[in-house]
Amino acid sequence: AQSVSQHNHHVILSEAASLELGCNYSYGGTVNLFWYVQYPGQHLQLLLKYFSGDPLVKGIKGFEAEFIKSKFSFNLRKPSVQWSDTAEYFCAVMPNQAGTALIFGKGTTLSVSS
Amino acid sequence: EAGVTQFPSHSVIEKGQTVTLRCDPISGHDNLYWYRRVMGKEIKFLLHFVKESKQDESGMPNNRFLAERTGGTYSTLKVQPAELEDSGVYFCASSQQGFGELFFGEGSRLTVL
Repeated sequence: AQSVSQHNHHVILSEAASLELGCNYSYGGTVNLFWYVQYPGQHLQLLLKYFSGDPLVKGIKGFEAEFIKSKFSFNLRKPSVQWSDTAEYFCAVMPNQAGTALIFGKGTTLSVSS
Repeated sequence: EAGVTQFPSHSVIEKGQTVTLRCDPISGHDNLYWYRRVMGKEIKFLLHFVKESKQDESGMPNNRFLAERTGGTYSTLKVQPAELEDSGVYFCASSQQGFGELFFGEGSRLTVL
């Protein structure tokens, strides 16, 4: 069965520190890849996505992610975090077949102290 | 444009009772999904509608859960009778295409006592 693994359950950083959240998936075929974010009290929203093309994708609020096919990875990065980045981050995978569902990782809680 | 709306935002019921959760997708989105997150676990797929038809209901835990989507518009998810392990946050999402970005509602938190 397909699965998504997020390496860190809870990450604590100071403002201006760099961030990297790991994500690996298990699926042998073509996939679409996503990072969603849930800020406190808000709904899940899309941070960035990868369908094809340049494996380095840029999203909102200065986030980026790199797809490394050989490693089945899609790690999320931000050079300098802000207090407002405090949220829960979810990596998600959708096999590139019609009618398939989005599969989520367990999520990583990021706490940024000012 | 209105987003995905879910009702109620929080429901507290006794074991054995019935609860119905409602989701209104973004207008024009044929694809509607239900997901659930139990405390500390990942967000898990429950089922997928395309218009009023169930495309995939492989994630539904058991026959105490019944989902409907009347006329391809809003959807309801009924839990009857509710058990303690049904507690969690139920998310609804919609999309225009069957792949790609899903737009999520704020979730309905269900607490079964």
